[in-house]
Amino acid sequence: DAGVIQSPRHEVTEMGQEVTLRCKPISGHNSLFWYRQTMMRGLELLIYFNNNVPIDDSGMPEDRFSAKMPNASFSTLKIQPSEPRDSAVYFCASSSGEGYTFGSGTRLTVV
Amino acid sequence: AQTVTQSQPEMSVQEAETVTLSCTYDTSESDYYLFWYKQPPSRQMILVIRQEAYKQQNATENRFSVNFQKAAKSFSLKISDSQLGDAAMYFCAYRRTQGGSEKLVFGKGTKLTVNP
Repeated sequence: DAGVIQSPRHEVTEMGQEVTLRCKPISGHNSLFWYRQTMMRGLELLIYFNNNVPIDDSGMPEDRFSAKMPNASFSTLKIQPSEPRDSAVYFCASSSGEGYTFGSGTRLTVV
Repeated sequence: AQTVTQSQPEMSVQEAETVTLSCTYDTSESDYYLFWYKQPPSRQMILVIRQEAYKQQNATENRFSVNFQKAAKSFSLKISDSQLGDAAMYFCAYRRTQGGSEKLVFGKGTKLTVNP
C-alpha cells in the first residue's frame, strides 16, 4: 500500500489566491481527517469525514476554508482567499478505526 | 475538556542509552486509545506505539515501550538503546470519541536529540 498520499508537498501562493490541497486515503479506510500544524497551536483537527460524510467541522477556522470528499478515494481542502496566517503544514490522515496513518503533509506558505 | 500535556519541550540522550518521555492526559472516558507519534525533520508523522486503555499490559514495540498508569492518567514512552535515527519530535496523542465524532488530541511535543 502506498499509504496516504498528499499533494502538493509544498505550495507557495500570494495572499488572496485560492489554494487547493489534495489527499488520497488508504483504500478501505472509512475515516479521513485534515489536521493543521503550526508552531503556535501545534496539531489541530480541522475536519473529520466518515464514509465520505463530514461529521465534525468545528475546527475549520472560518468560511474561507472548505473541505470535500466526493468519493472514498479523494478529498480536498480549499482555502479561498488565502491569508499569510494560513501558512502551516496541513496533514491528511485516514483510519480504519484502530490506527491512524498520516500523509507527508503539504507545507503552505502564503506571502 | 480532554487535554494532553508533555512537560518536557526538549530532551537529550547519549547514543545507546535509555530515555523516557513524559505525557499526562485528562479524560472522563473509561475506554480510549493513546498513541506516541514520531516526527523527524522530513515531517512525516510516524506511529511509534499504541495503547488501549482497557489493556493492563504495557505496549512494547522493539526498543520502544510505554509505562501506562491509568489511574494517574500518565503515558510515558521509554526508548532503549537510543539510536541517532531516533532524533525527532515526539508527540503524545489521545483518541477522543464524542457524539459520533472522533479525533486525535495531541500534546505540544518533545524534541529529542541523540548525541553520538
